[in-house]
Amino acid sequence: SQTIHQWPATLVQPVGSPLSLECTVEGTSNPNLYWYRQAAGRGLQLLFYSVGIGQISSEVPQNLSASRPQDRQFILSSKKLLLSDSGFYLCAWRKGDDTNYGYTFGSGTRLTVV
Amino acid sequence: EDQVTQSPEALRLQEGESSSLNCSYTVSGLRGLFWYRQDPGKGPEFLFTLYSAGEEKEKERLKATLTKKESFLHITAPKPEDSATYLCAVRGGSNYKLTFGKGTLLTVNP
Repeated sequence: SQTIHQWPATLVQPVGSPLSLECTVEGTSNPNLYWYRQAAGRGLQLLFYSVGIGQISSEVPQNLSASRPQDRQFILSSKKLLLSDSGFYLCAWRKGDDTNYGYTFGSGTRLTVV
Repeated sequence: EDQVTQSPEALRLQEGESSSLNCSYTVSGLRGLFWYRQDPGKGPEFLFTLYSAGEEKEKERLKATLTKKESFLHITAPKPEDSATYLCAVRGGSNYKLTFGKGTLLTVNP
């Protein structure tokens, strides 16, 4: 069966520090991968998605970036965190060859920038 | 641009008191309407996907229905363990992404 792993679960970082969040999927190949952010009182906002290794599409211009160095690995990064980067970050995957397949989410990372 | 509006923002029920949550949407070429359940501090858990108007799906005390403009999540005789935030999302014909509503926070009191 397929599983998605996301870490760390919680993170407290000072303003201006770098960020690296990692997400991996097991039990499938060539998944579509997504990074969402959920802020208090707001819906889930898509940040990045990837349909293949090295292929990244950005939905929202900001100081975050994403990379996909391997087929089932998706990384969210920042060189310098802002207070506004605080939120709940969720990784999700979907079968790449089935456009009607549901999206499965990871357990999330609670990021607090102080 | 795809849009999803959920109502009410919060709903408080007594155990056994049935009700419905609403999800209104605008999308170009609906490729799927998704319902998720999210518990505090956790990622959304998939419940249903609906693809065309008139479609219905059921799971335990939950039943989701779809029209051309909205979807309803009916909760029959809810229990306290049904308390959660319920999220609705749509996927349009030209997008890979899901567009989410802000969710409905459901509280079921014993």
